[in-house]
Amino acid sequence: AQTVTQSQPEMSVQEAETVTLSCTYDTSESDYYLFWYKQPPSRQMILVIRQEAYKQQNATENRFSVNFQKAAKSFSLKISDSQLGDAAMYFCAYRTSGSRLTFGEGTQLTVNP
Amino acid sequence: DAGITQSPRHKVTETGTPVTLRCHQTENHRYMYWYRQDPGHGLRLIHYSYGVKDTDKGEVSDGYSVSRSKTEDFLLTLESATSSQTSVYFCAISSDLNTEAFFGQGTRLTVV
Repeated sequence: AQTVTQSQPEMSVQEAETVTLSCTYDTSESDYYLFWYKQPPSRQMILVIRQEAYKQQNATENRFSVNFQKAAKSFSLKISDSQLGDAAMYFCAYRTSGSRLTFGEGTQLTVNP
Repeated sequence: DAGITQSPRHKVTETGTPVTLRCHQTENHRYMYWYRQDPGHGLRLIHYSYGVKDTDKGEVSDGYSVSRSKTEDFLLTLESATSSQTSVYFCAISSDLNTEAFFGQGTRLTVV
């Protein structure tokens, strides 16, 4: 079974600083997709960034970027120039070619002013 | 916002009663998912569907059943609700494997 592990239940960062959230996954597949979602207190799930496993280039979306290490099965999220609005629960997710979408346990990010 | 609606948004029910949660989409997306969210566990997959009448179990499917008789509706049934099924339930939809999943607003279910 595929598993997704987020080893940091909580993280904190100073406003304007950089923070990295960790995610590892276990799979025997070679073709899959990875996502980071953000869940603010409103409970809404918001896509932050996605990565296709066949692409070697790391995905970037403005202040958000990933470090995708396929051999190590690692998919970390870097948030640069952190803002107060970045405070939320962040979930890493893995999707197989068979459509199953699995989430990690989440990392609660606090941004300190 | 993606056209996905969960109903009801809140429900309190008694132990042993059956409960059905509904997920309705207007996007004609192929894939639909039911998750439960609990503190310390993230989102855990209950069941998912890859087409009309095509469903499969997730990691926490015991005590739950689903049905998808048409593209737009995915129903989650708790056959006999227990207190351990008190949770927030999310429905999600997506069109293709490499696209994002869109989520409903969530249903807070309390079993007393």
